[in-house]
Amino acid sequence: DTAVSQTPKYLVTQMGNDKSIKCEQNLGHDTMYWYKQDSKKFLKIMFSYNNKELIINETVPNRFSPKSPDKAHLNLHINSLELGDSAVYFCASSSEDRAGGYTFGSGTRLTVV
Amino acid sequence: QKEVEQDPGPLSVPEGAIVSLNCTYSNSAFQYFMWYRQYSRKGPELLMYTYSSGNKEDGRFTAQVDKSSKYISLFIRDSQPSDSATYLCAMKAAGNKLTFGGGTRVLVKP
Repeated sequence: DTAVSQTPKYLVTQMGNDKSIKCEQNLGHDTMYWYKQDSKKFLKIMFSYNNKELIINETVPNRFSPKSPDKAHLNLHINSLELGDSAVYFCASSSEDRAGGYTFGSGTRLTVV
Repeated sequence: QKEVEQDPGPLSVPEGAIVSLNCTYSNSAFQYFMWYRQYSRKGPELLMYTYSSGNKEDGRFTAQVDKSSKYISLFIRDSQPSDSATYLCAMKAAGNKLTFGGGTRVLVKP
C-alpha cells in the first residue's frame, strides 16, 4: 500500500517534447512537494503546495508548471524539455505538524536525449 | 556556499564498525534536523528526527545536534552490509521547507 506514488518511474524523451509526471499520496498530508535530484545526489526543492495552494516556488524555469487538483495529488508538467532537465524528480508529502518529516515517492528518472 | 554542507564520501567501513556521518550548516534559524537514508534507485526514507540541540538514540542509530557549532552527526553502531546507502542530512526552520545536504555514500564491507 504505497504512501506516495509517482508515475512513470522512467521517462526517456527527446529534446523539445512536453511531458508530465504524476504524484499521489494516501497519507492524508496537507503539503506536497517536488524535488529534483541531480547526478551528484543533491536534492533541491522546486515547488510546494499546501491544500492546493502554491506556497514555495523556487528559482525554476517557467517551462516547469506544477498543478494540484486536490490535496492528495500534485502533478508536474514540463514544456520544451532540455538536456539539462535530465535528473530524478521526487514527489514528497508532509503533514502540517511542523515537527513532521517528509515521505518521499520512489522517484521518476527523466532522461532527455 | 551551500546552506548545508556534507562530505560526499564514499565512506568505506568493515562490517561491525561504527559509521560516523556529519553535516555543517550556516542558517541559525534551523530548528529541526533529520537524517534520511537513500538506497540506489529509491526515494529517501526518514531515519532520525531531532528538534533543537541534543542527542537521540534509536536502536543502532544515534543522532546528535550541536546548534552552537552548527554541526549535526549520525552514528551507526554495529554496521551491516544492508546499511550501505547514501545518507542525507536535512534541516528546516519553522515552516515546511526542508533543505538537504548533498549526501554521503556509505559502503559497509562484509
